[in-house]
Amino acid sequence: DIVMTQSPDSLAVSLGERATINCKSSQSVLYSSNNKNYVAWYQQKPGQPPKLIICWASSRESGVPDRFSGSGSGTDFTLTISNVQAEDVAVYYCQQYYSTPRTFGQGTKLEIK
Amino acid sequence: QVQLVESGGSVVQPGRSLKLSCAASGFTFTTSVMHWVRQAPGKGLEWVAVISSDGRNEFYIDSVKGRFTISRDNSKNTLYLQMNSLRVEDMAVYYCARDLPLAGALDYWGQGTLVTVSS
Repeated sequence: DIVMTQSPDSLAVSLGERATINCKSSQSVLYSSNNKNYVAWYQQKPGQPPKLIICWASSRESGVPDRFSGSGSGTDFTLTISNVQAEDVAVYYCQQYYSTPRTFGQGTKLEIK
Repeated sequence: QVQLVESGGSVVQPGRSLKLSCAASGFTFTTSVMHWVRQAPGKGLEWVAVISSDGRNEFYIDSVKGRFTISRDNSKNTLYLQMNSLRVEDMAVYYCARDLPLAGALDYWGQGTLVTVSS
C-alpha cells in the first residue's frame, strides 16, 4: 500500500499570510504513460464532508479560489494557500489514486493565528 | 445537481450486521465508479472500498476484506455497503463518493451516515 504522510499535522497562520502543507508518498504516484501525478487534495470543514479542491496534483477544481494551488511530482507534493482567509479554516487531506487502496494522508489542521 | 444521500447508519452491537445505502441522483450513475470512505470520530479519512460502474469489480481495504461487501443496483441508482461481523473499530461516519470521470479523485461526497458499534 502507498503511505501518504502529511506535514505539519497542524499550522496556524495570520489572515492574509501563506499556508504551506506538504504531502509525501511512499512511492511515486507519477504515471509515466501520461505524465500525470495521481494526487488529490481535499478540504474538510467541521461537520461537513470533504470537498475536492485539487486533482492531478495541481489542477484546481471549478469554483475553487485561485489562492489555492498544488504543486509537486513523483513523491513530494505541496498545497499552498496564499492570502489565507477565515473561511479556509479546515482540515486538509492529500490522497493518492494511483493504486488501490486509495490512501489518504493523516490530515493537516489549518487555524488562524 | 449531483446528490448522494447515505442512509442505514445506526447503533449496533459488535458482531452484528448492518447495510448502508447511498441514493444517487443528478448524474449518470450507471457509468460512475463509486466508493465508500469512512471517518472515525475525531480521526482522519479512511478509504474503504470501490466498485466499478458495472458492479463486476470490487476492491477493499484489508481490514474489511471478508466482512464488508460493496454492491450497487444501477436500476435504482443506489450504492450499498453490507457490513458483517462489525467491530468497535468500524465505528465511523461512512461517506459514499463518486469517482471523478476519467480521473480517480472523489469529486462528490454524501453527507455521511454514522455507524456506532457498541455493546
